[in-house]
Amino acid sequence: EVQLVQSGAEVKKPGESLKISCKISGYTFANYWIGWVRQMPGKGLEWVAIIYPRNSETKYSPAFQGRVTISADKSISTAYLRWSSLKASDTAMYYCTRHEIQNIGSYWINYWGQGTLLTVSS
Amino acid sequence: SYELTQPLSVSVSPGQPASITCSGDKLEDKFVSWYQQKPGQPPILVLYEDDKRPSGIPERFSGSNSGNTATLTISETQTMDEADYYCQTWDNYSYVFGSGTKVTVL
Repeated sequence: EVQLVQSGAEVKKPGESLKISCKISGYTFANYWIGWVRQMPGKGLEWVAIIYPRNSETKYSPAFQGRVTISADKSISTAYLRWSSLKASDTAMYYCTRHEIQNIGSYWINYWGQGTLLTVSS
Repeated sequence: SYELTQPLSVSVSPGQPASITCSGDKLEDKFVSWYQQKPGQPPILVLYEDDKRPSGIPERFSGSNSGNTATLTISETQTMDEADYYCQTWDNYSYVFGSGTKVTVL
């Protein structure tokens, strides 16, 4: 059974750094793109970034490029999302996502983690 | 950047069909996926590659994609189908999500 288990809720202050995690089980971690999706309170889904653990290739949404860093540790089948300096506007639920890529242009998300709620407030 | 437009809300009576549209420029040239999200839960995939259902998704969910519009249809809507629905595609090396449609069953 594929499982994406995310780290717990975080409460941070503006300017602080943070790394949240997503532990994978049930499949070969290196073989699938894994990523993050943001959902601000009461709002829709926004794609953040993805990484291919086999070669650490990354893709970022232009809206998040430079604001976050995605990484993966194959030895422990875990993906991460890191901020170096949080803002109040980073307050949101962040979902870890496993991606399926088939035909050219065919990209979808077939597994979601339970979400990590991040609150940034002074 | 590419945009997908969805209606804000759709209301449907139990047992009746519901259609949710997703519009984008030349969308038929792209693959579309659909996700269902209930309050307090992560989304789940209900359709991928326009009209394919993942294992475990009921047959009442179907999809199409033609011209500038993709459509998710629920053939006989049940109260358990009340949720937010998001379409998604891939464009210019980015995932793009629609703004979401709230389906109310009443």
